Amino acid sequence: QKEVEQDPGPLSVPEGAIVSLNCTYSNSAFQYFMWYRQYSRKGPELLMYTYSSGNKEDGRFTAQVDKSSKYISLFIRDSQPSDSATYLCATPSNAGGTSYGKLTFGQGTILTVHP
Amino acid sequence: GAVVSQHPSWVICKSGTSVKIECRSLDFQATTMFWYRQFPKQSLMLMATSNEGSKATYEQGVEKDKFLINHASLTLSTLTVTSAHPEDSSFYICSAIINEQFFGPGTRLTVL
Repeated sequence: QKEVEQDPGPLSVPEGAIVSLNCTYSNSAFQYFMWYRQYSRKGPELLMYTYSSGNKEDGRFTAQVDKSSKYISLFIRDSQPSDSATYLCATPSNAGGTSYGKLTFGQGTILTVHP
Repeated sequence: GAVVSQHPSWVICKSGTSVKIECRSLDFQATTMFWYRQFPKQSLMLMATSNEGSKATYEQGVEKDKFLINHASLTLSTLTVTSAHPEDSSFYICSAIINEQFFGPGTRLTVL
């Protein structure tokens, strides 16, 4: 079983739609969870990170962690064409690690928002 | 955020040759940098941890003699792919740490 699993999509939505991106993880000891956005032929950039359970909101983006089911989600409200990218979830490679250590990434979901 | 650069952004080489990829932290010093590899439509896989002033730490399954890492200074780490073969063709991405992990733009290597 992979440590982090993510549906690769692709996912295509109309502009203005609410997007839901999801990952599952296997190690219940993980506490930090990150979402990265990667444009084509570019390196990933950190969108959001969450610690432990609950929701975290930043503008149009909401990250959600459900530790009981080992499920993490990223919601994008009022999606824009500029949101078209690959979205990667990530956890520290070591239980108890942080977002600035070794990371294990999900496969990434390719999102296209069309006008 | 902090800026990490990579050079070259794209390289094509013949099978059997060696290729050096540079990773620089432009506005901060980084004692630790990571090197990742990403095959098409796949996720980033950590290859090794580059530590300034000491030997790199490689992940399981990564050949240290094939992927030479040198962290020459607090702002520069290099990855040399020795005797490259077509199966080494990939997107190589580095990251550097300062309070957060910042990624470089990547280097696309194509081995003919």
